[in-house]
Amino acid sequence: AQSVTQLGSHVSVSEGALVLLRCNYSSSVPPYLFWYVQYPNQGLQLLLKYTSAATLVKGINGFEAEFKKSETSFHLTKPSAHMSDAAEYFCAVKGRGNTPLVFGKGTRLSVIA
Amino acid sequence: GAVVSQHPSRVICKSGTSVKIECRSLDFQATTMFWYRQFPKQSLMLMATSNEGSKATYEQGVEKDKFLINHASLTLSTLTVTSAHPEDSSFYICSAGEPSGGYNEQFFGPGTRLTVL
Repeated sequence: AQSVTQLGSHVSVSEGALVLLRCNYSSSVPPYLFWYVQYPNQGLQLLLKYTSAATLVKGINGFEAEFKKSETSFHLTKPSAHMSDAAEYFCAVKGRGNTPLVFGKGTRLSVIA
Repeated sequence: GAVVSQHPSRVICKSGTSVKIECRSLDFQATTMFWYRQFPKQSLMLMATSNEGSKATYEQGVEKDKFLINHASLTLSTLTVTSAHPEDSSFYICSAGEPSGGYNEQFFGPGTRLTVL
């Protein structure tokens, strides 16, 4: 069974500051890991994914995440926050094969001017 | 990348009516599709797994007689919310895995927002 824990339901940063959204996973098999962003009243947009290649994954809009097996973590970072980054962010885990994703509870990112 | 569509994107219905939501894989065949539900300000929760040519499997707590799933072809799964009530108002999203990619990710539809009055 897989699960994801996102630490912090709400994170607030100043514009231009570092964004760090935390995600820890639990999986009995080597996982696939994902970060999605959801803007109000919209669907999911894939930011990046880890599928057992490079442990440092670069995504869209300047986001990146590092898979750390020893810490069972997959934290999302962005060096400099923009106002347009304000949204809900979901970390998700998936096992091998044609299986569904298991989502964390989400972290709402606010960006202060 | 693989594309999944959903129709309608938004639906408003009266309490007691039934609503059908379609999920289509546009450029690949999907023997399995997954249906998720997202209540306001909450995360996505898996509702059921739709299997082409066989019965769907439902997660614990999801009423199979209320949420009817039909996966009649390799590119289409439908979710019918029967006798909808206001508590069924939610965002419904489907996903499918693409076989040539080794199923290493799921491709999500844009979602259907259901409002039951």
